[in-house]
Amino acid sequence: QSALTQPPSVSGSPGQSVTISCTGTSSDVGSYNRVSWYQQPPGTAPKLMIYEVSNRPSGVPDRFSGSKSGNTASLTISGLQAEDEADYYCSSYTSSSTWVFGGGTKLTVL
Amino acid sequence: EVQLVESGGGLVQPGRSLRLSCAASGFTFDDYAMHWVRQAPGKGLEWVSGISWNSGSIGYADSVKGRFTISRDNAKNSLYLQMNSLRAEDTALYYCATHSAAHAFDIWGQGTMVTVSS
Repeated sequence: QSALTQPPSVSGSPGQSVTISCTGTSSDVGSYNRVSWYQQPPGTAPKLMIYEVSNRPSGVPDRFSGSKSGNTASLTISGLQAEDEADYYCSSYTSSSTWVFGGGTKLTVL
Repeated sequence: EVQLVESGGGLVQPGRSLRLSCAASGFTFDDYAMHWVRQAPGKGLEWVSGISWNSGSIGYADSVKGRFTISRDNAKNSLYLQMNSLRAEDTALYYCATHSAAHAFDIWGQGTMVTVSS
């Protein structure tokens, strides 16, 4: 049950786009479309932003989008806003019938 | 209002036990699988355990298997985590979360802090 691999940090200026990668294996990300993304501002509980690779829950801006290729999933945030500054985590179902999270990525809006 | 409220955390000595609870309101509890996810101070999220709507399917992370037991009482709209043989590395904020047909953790509580220290 090794954690999925995410970059520790990414940054961008307001209005720009950033992409956060999430690399797993053929036993998790590569085999299932049960990949989701969570936003966690400091001191708050995580919030679901993307489910099943690319679907947005009601209320999540369409600036947030998800995709997957092979063993790597990605979260793209376009039109960056100051309020997007937070930690982001990916998650995937695994072939062991468990769930695994990524190590997290800190997004800084410059 | 849809809400999950965790309780039962606290300071406990290594080797002792603790039972966490999660009270659900504002939605049909037995429509959802439920999970516990923890976050050590300054660290990332770690999935701990999950249970299906009818308790027929249960899973644990390797790090807690054999020490932790998840359970639920649908009549009381409550989720539980019995934690035995606690270790320093179990120190974390423990969240409960719903798990819908969307295969994601869609509703989260605010967490309850567990500190394992002598």
